[in-house]
Amino acid sequence: SAVISQKPSRDICQRGTSLTIQCQVDSQVTMMFWYRQQPGQSLTLIATANQGSEATYESGFVIDKFPISRPNLTFSTLTVSNMSPEDSSIYLCSVVRGPRGYTFGSGTRLTVV
Amino acid sequence: QKEVEQDPGPLSVPEGAIVSLNCTYSNSAFQYFMWYRQYSRKGPELLMYTYSSGNKEDGRFTAQVDKSSKYISLFIRDSQPSDSATYLCAMSEAGNMLTFGGGTRLMVKP
Repeated sequence: SAVISQKPSRDICQRGTSLTIQCQVDSQVTMMFWYRQQPGQSLTLIATANQGSEATYESGFVIDKFPISRPNLTFSTLTVSNMSPEDSSIYLCSVVRGPRGYTFGSGTRLTVV
Repeated sequence: QKEVEQDPGPLSVPEGAIVSLNCTYSNSAFQYFMWYRQYSRKGPELLMYTYSSGNKEDGRFTAQVDKSSKYISLFIRDSQPSDSATYLCAMSEAGNMLTFGGGTRLMVKP
């Protein structure tokens, strides 16, 4: 399975600021996914990032709040913009290799104060 | 009603016990079924993968899928304290987009 490096692993941020999370994969993948996992909750898909095209956002998530870049087939960033305490979550990037499901990064634990 | 239902627990068992974790779902088009294990402060890792109905065994772990009942299970034999984690079921129609259950927190006590 793919090896995914995600950073930062955690951060504490002031409300109103932005944080960019980076995700590096050890091999080329077509699709990368960004998930949010709120405290005590399961994973919610934020968006799907394809190289060379605009990310596709799920209901309830918008590009102005969560802009995504996908400059090449091994790298993606997710920015959490104009943060509020409600954005405190774990953010996870993942890739899929066939039907066996996703491989996840170790996550970014974000606390907004 | 959520598309995938999973009892959040926590489920506390003594070391050596057999653990049964379950999910129910409503979408009959799901064909791929997975179990992920998530340790605290870590991302989920794929534990078991099953296509369509049937059983699959891997060491102490057995995954069962009953599509007629829309019910999947994960059994852990001879549970160990190192099995303490949150277990997430996930499923998909075509192997790409996953729908997750809410996760069950398992605690195995020495």
